[in-house]
Amino acid sequence: GENVEQHPSTLSVQEGDSAVIKCTYSDSASNYFPWYKQELGKRPQLIIDIRSNVGEKKDQRIAVTLNKTAKHFSLHITETQPEDSAVYFCAASKADTGTASKLTFGTGTRLQVTL
Amino acid sequence: EPEVTQTPSHQVTQMGQEVILRCVPISNHLYFYWYRQILGQKVEFLVSFYNNEISEKSEIFDDQFSVERPDGSNFTLKIRSTKLEDSAMYFCASRGGETLLYEQYFGPGTRLTVT
Repeated sequence: GENVEQHPSTLSVQEGDSAVIKCTYSDSASNYFPWYKQELGKRPQLIIDIRSNVGEKKDQRIAVTLNKTAKHFSLHITETQPEDSAVYFCAASKADTGTASKLTFGTGTRLQVTL
Repeated sequence: EPEVTQTPSHQVTQMGQEVILRCVPISNHLYFYWYRQILGQKVEFLVSFYNNEISEKSEIFDDQFSVERPDGSNFTLKIRSTKLEDSAMYFCASRGGETLLYEQYFGPGTRLTVT
């Protein structure tokens, strides 16, 4: 089955700096890669996702890149702010209409943005 | 904006007791999921449900677990005889049925504590 590795496990950056979190996946059939942000005691919230037919996607300060050949994808957060502090999870799925495709999550990255 | 809801927010039970965790998915969604997250660990897939039947289940989802959609709105997870290792946060998620909509939306979770 699918295996998703995520690095680093913790990341501390100063406010205004950029943060990069990297994930690799094992199943070349995976085609949907969401990123979730989870604040302490809260639900995972989808912040951005990318599909296998796209190499990069950007939404304001957040961007995700995908390298299908190498089977890795990354989350980039620019101009970090204290409210970006949370645990970030990557996930992979063989998504398709008509199938209840599961998400396989990475192990999470605890991002701390310091003043 | 519609959200997935879950009840109760916290359930404490004794080992060997049955528990039922309840979820109300987003109303027009067709795919339903249960995930769990042991404290400090990643989110793990338990089971997916579509068209009134289980689509896929993980190794965690053994004979002690069952799911049901008893009416048009609720989606439940039952654990027949709880074990200490069942202590975790349980998240329900749902996904729409429209073509190419892969996003899964998570509920706030039920924290299950087995003593």
